[in-house]
Amino acid sequence: GNSVTQMEGPVTLSEEAFLTINCTYTATGYPSLFWYVQYPGEGLQLLLKATKADDKGSNKGFEATYRKETTSFHLEKGSVQVSDSAVYFCALSDHRSGANNLFFGTGTRLTVIP
Amino acid sequence: NAGVTQTPKFQVLKTGQSMTLQCAQDMNHNSMYWYRQDPGMGLRLIYYSASEGTTDKGEVPNGYNVSRLNKREFSLRLESAAPSQTSVYFCASSEQGFTEAFFGQGTRLTVV
Repeated sequence: GNSVTQMEGPVTLSEEAFLTINCTYTATGYPSLFWYVQYPGEGLQLLLKATKADDKGSNKGFEATYRKETTSFHLEKGSVQVSDSAVYFCALSDHRSGANNLFFGTGTRLTVIP
Repeated sequence: NAGVTQTPKFQVLKTGQSMTLQCAQDMNHNSMYWYRQDPGMGLRLIYYSASEGTTDKGEVPNGYNVSRLNKREFSLRLESAAPSQTSVYFCASSEQGFTEAFFGQGTRLTVV
């Protein structure tokens, strides 16, 4: 079946530190991979995505590369800011039945301190 | 610029009461979804609708029903609320295929 395993949190970093949040997946086919971010009191927003192996998604200084050989999609940012404090979800999409079903990891809470 | 709109934002129910969560999207998307978010469990799919007129069960459908009223609207009904249904509920929509999903702001439901 489809599943996503995400690095347990919470993660606390100082401003300007390097961030890595690990994500690995299991999929029956060739899924698309996503990182969503949830700021306090809000819904989820797409942060970045990759639709095939070796694609790199990037947005707002965050990057993740779709690695089929290691079934991973780790999120990285070179220098985090206080405003990056949020919960980050790794997800994959399953294209069965023509629907874009999303399978989510458990989320990683990031807190960035000044 | 509304995107996905959910109502209500907050609700407290007594055990056994019923209610309907409303969701509407203005992006002309074919697919719509209902998720619940619980601490330490991420988001789990309750029901989804691949297109107008179709609905299918997700991972945790028990205790819920849905209606795809038209292309814009997808409602979630709790017929007899239970404390285990205390959660944050998110509606989402997407185009068919592997494009991104757009989420509403959520409904925080407490069942006492």
